[in-house]
Amino acid sequence: AQTVTQSQPEMSVQEAETVTLSCTYDTSENNYYLFWYKQPPSRQMILVIRQEAYKQQNATENRFSVNFQKAAKSFSLKISDSQLGDTAMYFCAFMKMSNTGKLIFGQGTTLQVKP
Amino acid sequence: KAGVTQTPRYLIKTRGQQVTLSCSPISGHRSVSWYQQTPGQGLQFLFEYFSETQRNKGNFPGRFSGRQFSNSRSEMNVSTLELGDSALYLCASSLEVTTGELFFGEGSRLTVL
Repeated sequence: AQTVTQSQPEMSVQEAETVTLSCTYDTSENNYYLFWYKQPPSRQMILVIRQEAYKQQNATENRFSVNFQKAAKSFSLKISDSQLGDTAMYFCAFMKMSNTGKLIFGQGTTLQVKP
Repeated sequence: KAGVTQTPRYLIKTRGQQVTLSCSPISGHRSVSWYQQTPGQGLQFLFEYFSETQRNKGNFPGRFSGRQFSNSRSEMNVSTLELGDSALYLCASSLEVTTGELFFGEGSRLTVL
């Protein structure tokens, strides 16, 4: 069975600074996706960034980038130039490529961006 | 393009009752999956439907069931409600093409008294 672990329940960062959220996972699969989803307070969950396991290059989406270490089963999210709107709960998630629709989530990290 | 729509947004039930939640996916999306979110257990996968067939199922008791209609709309039902069923129920839709990206609705918040 796959598991996803986020070891930081809460984090805070000053506006305009950089913050890194950690995620580790465990799987015997070789083909899978990894995701970071953002859930702002009382708002819907949205995809931040996606990484295919077969791609060695780390995914980047504007201010968001990942450090994907497949051998170490680590998938951290770096947020650069943090903005107040980044305040949210962030979930790391795993999905087997053969199992679309079934995400395995970590417990989440609550990020507070302070002015 | 309209997003994933879930109804009702909030509801209160008492123990022993049953509840039905509805989810309308993004137009063209044929896969619909359901998740339960609680403070204690986090986000847990319930089931996933594609073309009216359940393809995946999580580790929930048989009181939790679902179905999908020919227009891809989905419903989930919880019978004999327990206090522990109080949660935010999230629906997500996706294309069959395996991009892996799910689009979530705002959720239905169920309170069981």
